[in-house]
Amino acid sequence: DTGVSQDPRHKITKRGQNVTFRCDPISEHNRLYWYRQTLGQGPEFLTYFQNEAQLEKSRLLSDRFSAERPKGSFSTLEIQRTEQGDSAMYLCASSLVFGASGANVLTFGAGSRLTVL
Amino acid sequence: AQKITQTQPGMFVQEKEAVTLDCTYDTSDQSYGLFWYKQPSSGEMIFLIYQGSYDEQNATEGRYSLNFQKARKSANLVISASQLGDSAMYFCAASLAAGNKLTFGGGTRVLVKP
Repeated sequence: DTGVSQDPRHKITKRGQNVTFRCDPISEHNRLYWYRQTLGQGPEFLTYFQNEAQLEKSRLLSDRFSAERPKGSFSTLEIQRTEQGDSAMYLCASSLVFGASGANVLTFGAGSRLTVL
Repeated sequence: AQKITQTQPGMFVQEKEAVTLDCTYDTSDQSYGLFWYKQPSSGEMIFLIYQGSYDEQNATEGRYSLNFQKARKSANLVISASQLGDSAMYFCAASLAAGNKLTFGGGTRVLVKP
């Protein structure tokens, strides 16, 4: 298993353009999470999926942001009409959760760094 | 909503010494999990240690131990025998035990001096 993969690792775009990030989780993991991290801060939760169902979205996820996990495997995070404030590292993580107890240890990818000019 | 507070923005520690990173959390739930992650300059988040709210013993993983004080709502990370490779950002995080998302603190940057 190669862990959580994210693509692209770096993206530079102009304000107003659309960007899409892809995340390939660990294959046997049923949960997939997206976080955003700005410089010097902790990761902020955006959204998560269990299999293909999107179970929770943060208020940080404005209507310009959309995430999908169409077949319960890889996920995409699209940002439309990018703004300079969207510049950040976008982290994907996955985990395997059974029932309602036990540790939910997230395994993170290396992140996709977005710079909006 | 949970809130995680890490009050130490940065710390220096001498190689081979121990260092304690503070973390307090705010939750009204009885069942929750506490985590520590390490983020080196390369950027990846690395899981270090987990403590469940009902665990009576403090968690340990090699040189990492978690000093869990439930009544004070604190979950401090102790790194023993610091190594140069321990230089990184360290994040405390918490989740409800239902396997929900993690909420992260603002992090503490540790610099190990030779």
